[in-house]
Amino acid sequence: TQLLEQSPQFLSIQEGENLTVYCNSSSVFSSLQWYRQEPGEGPVLLVTVVTGGEVKKLKRLTFQFGDARKDSSLHITAAQPGDTGLYLCAGVKDYKLSFGAGTTVTVRA
Amino acid sequence: NAGVTQTPKFQVLKTGQSMTLQCAQDMNHNSMYWYRQDPGMGLRLIYYSASEGTTDKGEVPNGYNVSRLNKREFSLRLESAAPSQTSVYFCASSETLAGGYRQYFGPGTRLTVT
Repeated sequence: TQLLEQSPQFLSIQEGENLTVYCNSSSVFSSLQWYRQEPGEGPVLLVTVVTGGEVKKLKRLTFQFGDARKDSSLHITAAQPGDTGLYLCAGVKDYKLSFGAGTTVTVRA
Repeated sequence: NAGVTQTPKFQVLKTGQSMTLQCAQDMNHNSMYWYRQDPGMGLRLIYYSASEGTTDKGEVPNGYNVSRLNKREFSLRLESAAPSQTSVYFCASSETLAGGYRQYFGPGTRLTVT
């Protein structure tokens, strides 16, 4: 049973559109991380959110952590083909990660 | 700095064969991890090593063994491969700094068991 549920599983949009990926947890973790993975490579950390209600921005990416620290979202504004990839959320507990199943994002030129 | 390196990159085994996946990191990290990634299931932790000389089971340890050879190297062994072990395997190491906890991943080993 996955502790972290991500939705949607797949997302295909046109360049310039916005998108949101959701991550919901049945547990409270000490922090939550978002990773991006490209084909043939390992995941790379994008951001860590720690405090309930926290919002972090990374250029066109906005990450939110829910007040109860059990849900998070990743919003991409004006998506570009370079944003294409697998986006994974992961909960941090006892120096270990529990991953969601991931959202495959495809941005068409 | 090579970061986390894994060998081999691809491997095909027959059912019942054994093999060892190698992982090394040059970042002087204490903790290392082995994951498997299957379609629609994200990454699942197989084994981890919090420090040199210690190893512990993760979520899916059955059919695998590990060895923390030294601080740099952490290997994963399949003693008798099964088709259910067809997957992409990732090694990672981690650090905890003032900025928080972070794992660094290798490029993965794609294993097919026929």
